[in-house]
Order: sequence, then structure tokens, then C-alpha cells
Amino acid sequence: DTEVTQTPKHLVMGMTNKKSLKCEQHMGHRAMYWYKQKAKKPPELMFVYSYEKLSINESVPSRFSPECPNSSLLNLHLHALQPEDSALYLCASSQENARFGTQYFGPGTRLTVL
Amino acid sequence: KNEVEQSPQNLTAQEGEFITINCSYSVGISALHWLQQHPGGGIVSLFMLSSGKKKHGRLIATINIQEKHSSLHITASHPRDSAVYICAAVGNQFYFGTGTSLTVIP
Repeated sequence: DTEVTQTPKHLVMGMTNKKSLKCEQHMGHRAMYWYKQKAKKPPELMFVYSYEKLSINESVPSRFSPECPNSSLLNLHLHALQPEDSALYLCASSQENARFGTQYFGPGTRLTVL
Repeated sequence: KNEVEQSPQNLTAQEGEFITINCSYSVGISALHWLQQHPGGGIVSLFMLSSGKKKHGRLIATINIQEKHSSLHITASHPRDSAVYICAAVGNQFYFGTGTSLTVIP
């Protein structure tokens, strides 16, 4: 199984809503990542978890809250988002930190904030 | 200035043509990735290179560490190759290039 799955595929939410994005992998990877990608731009790294601990937070606003409940799961909790947060949110995993390994990406969640 | 630059930004080719996408980087790296992203989102990792050349089917990737340059070649291009191709350099962090949007016309 070389797949990273993400749910939901699409999400529309209001600025006062609370929602969560989910990411799952069963490859035994110990590093997991959240990226944000705006249209026609490359992905921007948001968070890196290594061995279920947050190792990198790229100055992301607190309205985005990551969580890694176990080595296979990565969540991104969303609260009080702004319309400019509308983007494709990509999850990825690798055997170790990106420095060493190939990253496997999920299909993404397309988020629209109204 | 981006740490990783790609060219061209957009590329249109006829089916069957040989295609080259270039990637130059200005930071010290341990590896470089070539990624493919189809419309709709999902990213597929094509290659990870730290030296030399790799081949997979019709795709060939090369890297010249001294010149800080990598190329992705597609032989006998096909409309299904239409996608955005992104190079990403692994240094102190993951540096993404700006992407090359490829359209292959039947």
C-alpha cells in the first residue's frame, strides 16, 4: 500500500465554522506533512510531524491546528478561517524527514472559505 | 528570488515530441525531486536524484551537482503527460520550484 488518503475531497465552510481535514497512510512512514497550495503556485509547507511530534511549524496562523494522534494519522483542525485560506491542502508522508526520503502525496482537500 | 527556478513556465508540444524541462537551484542540497501534478490536485513523485541520471519508462531525469542544474526529459510525449511538473530541492528545507505547465496536443 503506497497510498496517502485524504478526506474530505472538497470542503466548503463559513468563517465561523470548525472543521477538520484528515490524512492517513499505512506505509509505516514516520514523517507527515501538511502543505497549502494556491492556484498556479507551488505547495507551501505548513507543518511537519516527525515520530508523531511537531518538528516544523512554518509560522502558520493559529486558526490552523495540526494533530498527529498516531503514526498513521494526521489531522488539520480549522477554526475561524478567512476567505484567503481557500486553497488545496495537501498531505504527504515520507520514511523519515524530507531531507532523506521521497515524499508520497495525497490527492488533497480543496477548501473553500465563504 | 526563488531558491529553485524552473523553465519554461509553460510548454505546449505535439504528441510524440521530445520534451525537456529545466530546474536550477541556488542552495546546497542533498537531493532533488521531480513531481507531477495533474489538474485536480494529486501530486506524484516521479524521481528523487542525488547524482547522475535516472530513467523510468519514457521519463529521464538528470542532475549536475556542480552546475546546480537538473533536467526532466519526456520522450515520445503523449497527451496524458499533460500536467504541471515541479522540481523540489531538499536542503535545509524542501524548496519547491514554480512549476512547468505542460500541454501535449494530439
